[in-house]
Amino acid sequence: NAGVTQTPKFRVLKTGQSMTLLCAQDMNHEYMYWYRQDPGMGLRLIHYSVGEGTTAKGEVPDGYNVSRLKKQNFLLGLESAAPSQTSVYFCASSYSRPPRFYGYTFGSGTRLTVV
Amino acid sequence: AQSVTQLDSQVPVFEEAPVELRCNYSSSVSVYLFWYVQYPNQGLQLLLKYLSGSTLVKGINGFEAEFNKSQTSFHLRKPSVHISDTAEYFCAVSDTSNTGKLIFGQGTTLQVKP
Repeated sequence: NAGVTQTPKFRVLKTGQSMTLLCAQDMNHEYMYWYRQDPGMGLRLIHYSVGEGTTAKGEVPDGYNVSRLKKQNFLLGLESAAPSQTSVYFCASSYSRPPRFYGYTFGSGTRLTVV
Repeated sequence: AQSVTQLDSQVPVFEEAPVELRCNYSSSVSVYLFWYVQYPNQGLQLLLKYLSGSTLVKGINGFEAEFNKSQTSFHLRKPSVHISDTAEYFCAVSDTSNTGKLIFGQGTTLQVKP
């Protein structure tokens, strides 16, 4: 049982390049989320999904796109990377929502540097 | 809209001393509250959660937190810390919409010194 797996773990991009971060969960979780973590700012929600085929914007969606074509996968895309997108990206999933809510399962993160 | 404020960015403490990490939240409706821990170069792990019922909740590794509705606080405590508790701690509040979104605080770095 792998939980939440993020690939890649590290990546260096040049400004203007594109890439896709993959999040895969094997727990049959309905809800999936992408956060970015920056020093002193905690975790900020980029996009999220409440089920297969659905996505929605979070707090900081600009410059990112997502897709949830399969229930187990949630992809985060950067179409034209900028240095401001240098960050650690975390994917999380959950089985349910409040009140039947027990928190998230997190992946181990992707450290992205844009030069 | 909900928000979370962690009142200390860094908390240095000696080994075997007690510690309290402070978290205040703002919300006009009922909330669910969480504490997560992040060890260096790892993802976040759930320490404990408050969903309903007793306001004193116990978590893993000897941590506990108390939900105080009147003061809108959810402070994390441990009576005696170990070196291995050195990590970053995040307080989070649930969005009460049907999305399951969590709103995180800025994080508190706990530095346990020998």
